[in-house]
Amino acid sequence: KNQVEQSPQSLIILEGKNCTLQCNYTVSPFSNLRWYKQDTGRGPVSLTIMTFSENTKSNGRYTATLDADTKQSSLHITASQLSDSASYICVVSDRGSTLGRLYFGRGTQLTVWP
Amino acid sequence: EADIYQTPRYLVIGTGKKITLECSQTMGHDKMYWYQQDPGMELHLIHYSYGVNSTEKGDLSSESTVSRIRTEHFPLTLESARPSHTSQYLCASSAGGGGKYEQYFGPGTRLTVT
Repeated sequence: KNQVEQSPQSLIILEGKNCTLQCNYTVSPFSNLRWYKQDTGRGPVSLTIMTFSENTKSNGRYTATLDADTKQSSLHITASQLSDSASYICVVSDRGSTLGRLYFGRGTQLTVWP
Repeated sequence: EADIYQTPRYLVIGTGKKITLECSQTMGHDKMYWYQQDPGMELHLIHYSYGVNSTEKGDLSSESTVSRIRTEHFPLTLESARPSHTSQYLCASSAGGGGKYEQYFGPGTRLTVT
């Protein structure tokens, strides 16, 4: 069964600190992996997208890594800001269908305190 | 910021009422999607469309229906709302399928059925 598991479920950090969010998946055949940021009451916004051959991709203070062999990804946030408070969702796409099914994790709820 | 819009943003309605959630995009995307998201849970695909006059049901069974008469417009209708329909509904669009293309999400409609 294709699944995406994220940890931790929630995380509280102080402003300025770094943190790392984890994503494990069993989706096969793999197409790509995306990290989305979803603010409360809003739609998800894409942070990064990585294909099978990419190990690391950065977007400002966000750095995502992918290990396609172990089917693990992480999202590292550097020098956190209050505006980073949101849910971070790992999404994996398969290439086994025309639609390109997206499998969503439940997200990690990050809270940044001043 | 993606050019995809949803109205209303919030809706509180009584049981048995007919409702239509609007979604429109100005990016000329052929592919459009409706997702349902409960708090702390993953997004579930309930409907999708490959283009005008094309609609398909997604992974999660839903009593809602959709139509695609124009490329830019993908409304979702509930003929008789029930408390079990209380949820957040997210609309998305992409330039193509196959999982390779970015999906852009609208801000969502928070529906409460009393």
